[in-house]
Amino acid sequence: QVTLRESGPALVKPTQTLTLTCTFSGFSLSTSGMCVSWIRQPPGKALEWLALIDWDDDKYYSTSLKTRLTISKDTSKNQVVLTMTNMDPVDTATYYCERNKGGGFDYWGQGTLVTVSS
Amino acid sequence: DIQMTQSPSSLSASVGDRVTITCQASQDISNYLNWYQQKPGKAPKLLIYDASNLETGVPSRFSGSGSGTDFTFTISSLQPEDIATYYCQQYDNLPIFTFGPGTKVDIK
Repeated sequence: QVTLRESGPALVKPTQTLTLTCTFSGFSLSTSGMCVSWIRQPPGKALEWLALIDWDDDKYYSTSLKTRLTISKDTSKNQVVLTMTNMDPVDTATYYCERNKGGGFDYWGQGTLVTVSS
Repeated sequence: DIQMTQSPSSLSASVGDRVTITCQASQDISNYLNWYQQKPGKAPKLLIYDASNLETGVPSRFSGSGSGTDFTFTISSLQPEDIATYYCQQYDNLPIFTFGPGTKVDIK
């Protein structure tokens, strides 16, 4: 059974760095072809893909946010970590991690709401 | 970057109605398109992959079609549990993924 769960702070201040952890089970990120992504969704708005890391430790980022994002993995802990620097109120969103299936996302975490406010 | 549009942005239909949502890509994306359902307060769920393939366990009243720049998502007979927002998502230029703005479906 595949599960993913996001964890991290619910509230961050403007200019701070956000660190989110995705802890997963039911698959291994060391398996060839396996990938995990992060996607966010501001309240009442659409989904936005942020970053992907694959089994070979290759990393890919949203064109518009790549200067602020870092994705990494700890295969032994079944975790993927996303950091986003210089947080702003417009970054207030629910952040999801998900497993990639081909060109899509077949398993999602429940999401974690991050509010950026002083 | 490839841009995705959806229409309508929202719709209201009766139980049993046929519901159709369209998604358009800003350039040819072949069949590299997925559809998701997102119920309020929940994570999205993959329904259709590669434009027309039904994900395992998804009811057959859901279907997708299209290729190139124009795609269609259909619910053949709307059920109360289908109230949700539906998103298309392209993956023509992997590993960059783009979602459409969503279509909110509710019951009339």
